Amino acid sequence: DTAVSQTPKYLVTQMGNDKSIKCEQNLGHDTMYWYKQDSKKFLKIMFSYNNKELIINETVPNRFSPKSPDKAHLNLHINSLELGDSAVYFCASSLPGTGRDSPLHFGNGTRLTVT
Amino acid sequence: DQQVKQNSPSLSVQEGRISILNCDYTNSMFDYFLWYKKYPAEGPTFLISISSIKDKNEDGRFTVFLNKSAKHLSLHIVPSQPGDSAVYFCAASSDNNNDMRFGAGTRLTVKP
Repeated sequence: DTAVSQTPKYLVTQMGNDKSIKCEQNLGHDTMYWYKQDSKKFLKIMFSYNNKELIINETVPNRFSPKSPDKAHLNLHINSLELGDSAVYFCASSLPGTGRDSPLHFGNGTRLTVT
Repeated sequence: DQQVKQNSPSLSVQEGRISILNCDYTNSMFDYFLWYKKYPAEGPTFLISISSIKDKNEDGRFTVFLNKSAKHLSLHIVPSQPGDSAVYFCAASSDNNNDMRFGAGTRLTVKP
């Protein structure tokens, strides 16, 4: 009964490859997100999807593209992987708004290593 | 643009004592503040929050204090327990979760 699940947990690939990370939530939330935790441990938002509409895109290279087949899924596609893409990627979901009534619910992360 | 800063990467506390984790922010538009707790190999989980209209919010052993004039908040855990050992992230947002910013986290170790 995992609330937000993402696969795979670990992903090791070579530069130049294309890869995808899947995310599913069973909380009935309206909004889903992708976060990147970089080498300095900061969690930085990459994308936010609300009702299949991209809300924001924070200076993310266009090699990264979110795909949402339905409200419960937000997959992350990465083309032409680069060394600097190595990081932990977290999927999250929430109700609309912010704060106590709509905190983010995170998946357990996908550690991407590009060699 | 690191708008949320946690200047202590780690903190070690004896079981039963108080743990105080600090967080500073620079954006005066932030009006909602949250703490998330993260265990290894798991995602962050929501712990406690506070809105800018309050200066204190308490939930069991956890209390968050907000000083808007200083742009500073802190999380107090009393009494600390070994199970509290985790990384604690401070986060802040204004209108909605789309503009939420996280600090780099503080690793708390509670020693038995």
